Amino acid sequence: AQSVAQPEDQVNVAEGNPLTVKCTYSVSGNPYLFWYVQYPNRGLQFLLKYITGDNLVKGSYGFEAEFNKSQTSFHLKKPSALVSDSALYFCAVGGNNRLAFGKGNQVVVIP
Amino acid sequence: NAGVTQTPKFRVLKTGQSMTLLCAQDMNHEYMYWYRQDPGMGLRLIHYSVGEGTTAKGEVPDGYNVSRLKKQNFLLGLESAAPSQTSVYFCASSWTGGQPQHFGDGTRLSIL
Repeated sequence: AQSVAQPEDQVNVAEGNPLTVKCTYSVSGNPYLFWYVQYPNRGLQFLLKYITGDNLVKGSYGFEAEFNKSQTSFHLKKPSALVSDSALYFCAVGGNNRLAFGKGNQVVVIP
Repeated sequence: NAGVTQTPKFRVLKTGQSMTLLCAQDMNHEYMYWYRQDPGMGLRLIHYSVGEGTTAKGEVPDGYNVSRLKKQNFLLGLESAAPSQTSVYFCASSWTGGQPQHFGDGTRLSIL
C-alpha cells in the first residue's frame, strides 16, 4: 500500500524567505504525487502534480516541487513566501484508484 | 460552476442517531471519495467509488455505509452515530484515480 510521510508538523518562515515543505513517499511502481493546500474552514485545493516527465514541477501561486526518485521525496518549494501562504499543506501519493495523504504541515509565514 | 457541493455544512447528532451526508458534483467525474479529517491525523479515506453503482472500502470504513446510485451523487450514511465519529467529513471527485481530486468544503459533524 502507498504511504506518505511529512516529517514536520509546522514550518515557520519569514515573509520573503524561501519556503520548503518536505514529503517522502512509499509506493510500488511509478508514483503519482500531489500537493494540496487547505485554508481554514475550506476543502483541499490542488497545487501541483507529478506523474511523469521533468523532475521539477511548477504549480499554482508560484509553488513548485522537485521529484527525487532515489530519495523517494517530493518536496514543495516557493522562492519567496507570502503571509497569504500561511495554510495547511498536504502531500499525497496515488495508487490503486485512490490517494494516500500525509498528516499535513502547518505553514506559518511571519510578517 | 459549483464543483463539489456537500450538504449539510454543520450537524450535531446524539449518540445512536442516524444521518446521511450528501455529496454532489457537476463535473461528470467518474471517481468519488469520502474522507474524514481529524487533528494530527491528516485525511483518511472512508469509502470510494470508481463509477455509478460501485463502491469500495477505504482505510476506515467501519460504522459507515455509502451509495452511488447516480453518477453525480455520493451519499455517506451513519446508521448509529458514535462520539468517535465526530469529525470533519470531506467529499472529493476526480476523472480517474491518477488525476487531481476536487474537494467540497466539508461537513462538520459533532456527536454528543
